[in-house]
Amino acid sequence: EAGVTQFPSHSVIEKGQTVTLRCDPISGHDNLYWYRRVMGKEIKFLLHFVKESKQDESGMPNNRFLAERTGGTYSTLKVQPAELEDSGVYFCASSQDSWSGETQYFGPGTRLLVL
Amino acid sequence: AQSVAQPEDQVNVAEGNPLTVKCTYSVSGNPYLFWYVQYPNRGLQFLLKYITGDNLVKGSYGFEAEFNKSQTSFHLKKPSALVSDSALYFCAVSTGSARQLTFGSGTQLTVLP
Repeated sequence: EAGVTQFPSHSVIEKGQTVTLRCDPISGHDNLYWYRRVMGKEIKFLLHFVKESKQDESGMPNNRFLAERTGGTYSTLKVQPAELEDSGVYFCASSQDSWSGETQYFGPGTRLLVL
Repeated sequence: AQSVAQPEDQVNVAEGNPLTVKCTYSVSGNPYLFWYVQYPNRGLQFLLKYITGDNLVKGSYGFEAEFNKSQTSFHLKKPSALVSDSALYFCAVSTGSARQLTFGSGTQLTVLP
């Protein structure tokens, strides 16, 4: 069974540009999460999808970030326009059920560098 | 609000010696506790979790963790460290109303040959 995949693995862009990150969850997992780790600090929650619906987007830092999950399969996270402080590693995770004790399986992450 | 503390940024241990990576947490309600490991240039890999029941949880690669409610701790342990255990370890917590994981800042484990 394939795990969570993310694309691209690395992205280097200039401040003010747009970047779109993609996540493909494990097949059959209705729950999809986005997290990010900035400047080597804690990994912080961004948002949670259940199928195509946003269940919780309390961690989204501002309106420059837009997440979508059309059709309830893969998800995209767009940053527009990117700022220097957006640099970090963006992780996607998926789980079959959405209760708090369910194991979330993580992808390899996308390393974003904004210059 | 829930939080996790990993008091040690770096832990060094000799191969063959026991290792401990510390984690303490703060939540309202019953915690669900997780350990993940990140090898270089890889994603987060699930090691083990505590939900309920036996306080000693066994996971992948010979790792185990002990839930201590009175000390609000969930330390990761392994009886005999391997060089290949060298990686970045993250402790995380969730609780009833919050589906998302709250992570600690991570502990870099280095096992010296």
